[in-house]
Amino acid sequence: GAGVSQSPRYKVAKRGQDVALRCDPISGHVSLFWYQQALGQGPEFLTYFQNEAQLDKSGLPSDRFFAERPEGSVSTLKIQRTQQEDSAVYLCASSLDSRSYEQYFGPGTRLTVT
Amino acid sequence: QKEVEQNSGPLSVPEGAIASLNCTYSDRGSQSFFWYRQYSGKSPELIMSIYSNGDKEDGRFTAQLNKASQYVSLLIRDSQPSDSATYLCAVRDNDYKLSFGAGTTVTVRA
Repeated sequence: GAGVSQSPRYKVAKRGQDVALRCDPISGHVSLFWYQQALGQGPEFLTYFQNEAQLDKSGLPSDRFFAERPEGSVSTLKIQRTQQEDSAVYLCASSLDSRSYEQYFGPGTRLTVT
Repeated sequence: QKEVEQNSGPLSVPEGAIASLNCTYSDRGSQSFFWYRQYSGKSPELIMSIYSNGDKEDGRFTAQLNKASQYVSLLIRDSQPSDSATYLCAVRDNDYKLSFGAGTTVTVRA
């Protein structure tokens, strides 16, 4: 079956612009996660959804970052007034449910802020 | 702050040899442990999961877990050039979020 998909795959934004990154989880997966991966580092947790409920947003680096999953499937990560330090790969992962331990990652969106 | 440390690498092994990757974690409450493989420019791919002490084998991969020592390892037997990638250790506690190490880059020399 189809895996996690993300769009766009690459995004270049000028400093100060707003961006929106989309994630389509595996069909039927209840849990959805966003991670940020800087060059040469492992992914770092940003936020977690169970269905449409955002249960944890403790990893969002600032109030410029906002995520939603209004219908419990597709999720959007929005970054307002982008800064250079936001440049990273943004990874989305999904798992079958909150009791499932295995998270499957999408291809990521590489964001470059110039 | 939950920490996951991996041997820094890079690790270079000849084709056919065993590659040994190590990972330690700081949170004694951690319950689940994963190894992801990440090719350059690609996303992490789950290759192994282990939940109880001991060894778990899957093909050429063996994961080893020692909760008392807070240590997880991954052995890749009969290494192939296609195994050249960065290997990420990930740890999950009773919660849902994964904490990752920085990764170990493996190069298999033909």
